[in-house]
Amino acid sequence: AQTVTQSQPEMSVQEAETVTLSCTYDTSESDYYLFWYKQPPSRQMILVIRQEAYKQQNATENRFSVNFQKAAKSFSLKISDSQLGDAAMYFCALGGGADGLTFGKGTHLIIQP
Amino acid sequence: DVKVTQSSRYLVKRTGEKVFLECVQDMDHENMFWYRQDPGLGLRLIYFSYDVKMKEKGDIPEGYSVSREKKERFSLILESASTNQTSMYLCASSLYGLALATDTQYFGPGTRLTVL
Repeated sequence: AQTVTQSQPEMSVQEAETVTLSCTYDTSESDYYLFWYKQPPSRQMILVIRQEAYKQQNATENRFSVNFQKAAKSFSLKISDSQLGDAAMYFCALGGGADGLTFGKGTHLIIQP
Repeated sequence: DVKVTQSSRYLVKRTGEKVFLECVQDMDHENMFWYRQDPGLGLRLIYFSYDVKMKEKGDIPEGYSVSREKKERFSLILESASTNQTSMYLCASSLYGLALATDTQYFGPGTRLTVL
């Protein structure tokens, strides 16, 4: 069975600073994908960033980047220059095997103005 | 843009009622999913479907059933609602049938169901 662990239920950061959200996972699959999804308050969940496990290069999307450590089974999300609109629940998810995605329990990110 | 819509944002039902939650996607996606989201538990997969009339159980299918008669529509059914089914229900879709675990999923806005 696949597992995804987000050890930080809540994080707080000052506006314009950098924050890193942690995620570790476990899978027996050799080919898999990792995702970070964002769920703003009362709004739809959207994809932030996606990483293919076979790619060594870390994915980036503007102010969002990941630190993918395959051997350590770690997939952290770094948000640079935090903005008020980044406040949300962030979910790490693992895709591998036949049954779709396995999600972590989420990290609630608070942006302090 | 992919659009996934759910029939209700908020729903209040009584114990024992039959409840239908509807989800529609407009991008010809093959896969559709129903999740339940509870605080501190993240998202848990209830059922998914990779084709019309096809369905597969997820991690927590007990007390639920689904129907997919048309490609764009996926319904979640609570045959006899119970208070422990009070939750946020999220529908999602993804493009390719054979890429259940690797394709980006697009989510609806969610239905917050309260069972009294």
